[in-house]
Amino acid sequence: VQLQESGPGLVKPSETLSLTCTVSGGSISNYYLSWIRQPPGKGLEWIGYIYHSGGTKYNPSLNSRVSISSDTSKNQLSLQLTSVTAADTAVYYCARHSRGYSSDFRTWGQGTLVTVSS
Amino acid sequence: QSALTQPRSVSASPGQSVTIPCTGTSSDIGAYDLVSWYQEHPDKAPTVIIYDVTKRPSGVPDRFSGSKSGNTASLTISGLQAEDEAEYYCCSYAGGSTHVVFGGGTKVTVL
Repeated sequence: VQLQESGPGLVKPSETLSLTCTVSGGSISNYYLSWIRQPPGKGLEWIGYIYHSGGTKYNPSLNSRVSISSDTSKNQLSLQLTSVTAADTAVYYCARHSRGYSSDFRTWGQGTLVTVSS
Repeated sequence: QSALTQPRSVSASPGQSVTIPCTGTSSDIGAYDLVSWYQEHPDKAPTVIIYDVTKRPSGVPDRFSGSKSGNTASLTISGLQAEDEAEYYCCSYAGGSTHVVFGGGTKVTVL
């Protein structure tokens, strides 16, 4: 299984950040898939995950601004983060869990840098 | 501030051992045997080196080991090698409304 993130590298403050993760080598319907981010020079932050039934769980600190969805016909998952600020500048990763209800992110995309700036 | 607490840095000479503690609470590390450790080299995506507290994915050298006691998990690197110089993150399943929490990361320096 391979993961590849894509989307705009620059987003203006107060706008919505939208990213896509394309999964190859397996059906997203079989997986738990997370978004994780890393601000420059800082640590990892879990954003949320979607699982095979389409259910979602989010980081409580981002819950009001984040939405994760999937498109099984394209084998893609998406991330939307609204009302962004400079604090949302980060490398955004999608990652596949080894199984549900675990912290084992077995496969990662290469990450995509999103900068929030006017 | 990260949910799990790790030291900012540790260092040792080649061949020596280092242990990185990761302290959480009774709602995350203390509640589940679902702690993972990630190794991150500069400009690379993290890779899992320990999962479910003590298990190693295929291909991870056995000099990496994990353990847990109460609310604290630990990663030990034995026989430190130059390529082990990296950032290491702990991560725990937390259930409830929190779900997944990371530590702040520990920089391992090989002297």
